[in-house]
Amino acid sequence: GQNIDQPTEMTATEGAIVQINCTYQTSGFNGLFWYQQHAGEAPTFLSYNVLDGLEEKGRFSSFLSRSKGYSYLLLKELQMKDSASYLCAVTPNDYKLSFGAGTTVTVRA
Amino acid sequence: DGGITQSPKYLFRKEGQNVTLSCEQNLNHDAMYWYRQDPGQGLRLIYYSQIVNDFQKGDIAEGYSVSREKKESFPLTVTSAQKNPTAFYLCASSIEGASGEQYFGPGTRLTVT
Repeated sequence: GQNIDQPTEMTATEGAIVQINCTYQTSGFNGLFWYQQHAGEAPTFLSYNVLDGLEEKGRFSSFLSRSKGYSYLLLKELQMKDSASYLCAVTPNDYKLSFGAGTTVTVRA
Repeated sequence: DGGITQSPKYLFRKEGQNVTLSCEQNLNHDAMYWYRQDPGQGLRLIYYSQIVNDFQKGDIAEGYSVSREKKESFPLTVTSAQKNPTAFYLCASSIEGASGEQYFGPGTRLTVT
């Protein structure tokens, strides 16, 4: 089976930085995705990492270390609208994604 | 506008009834997926289809059935054999299987009493 772990909840202040960690143990690895999901809504794509290193996209960055089975999503200059669940997902093969349980981030004023 | 539609947004059924959830996409994507989401849990894959007239079981296919007769459509039937059908159901599609970004529909919240 696939095992993907991420913290359940995190709280941070508006304007701050938050780092959401994700560790995985999967039968294969073809890439790692981060999705954002607001309550009751569909997930939306944030980032994709397939090689080691940091990918930066505006206020959001994602890092991958394949040898350690580890990724993180970094959210900078937090805004109230960033309050959401963040889902880490790994594709162990070409056909499907395995998702972690998600990390609920609450941004406080 | 291109996208994925799911209908209805909310669905209520009595126990013992089969119910079919609709999923349509006009993105010209080959791959389509059905997920189930329960509180405090991640998305779990029910069924997926890489191409028309072909589909595969995901991790929790028992009690569900699908069809893929058209590229645009991938309906999911929740049968009476599904022991805990109340959940949030999400449909997704992608251009190139799981290595590509998946686009999600708005979801259907099914409640069975």
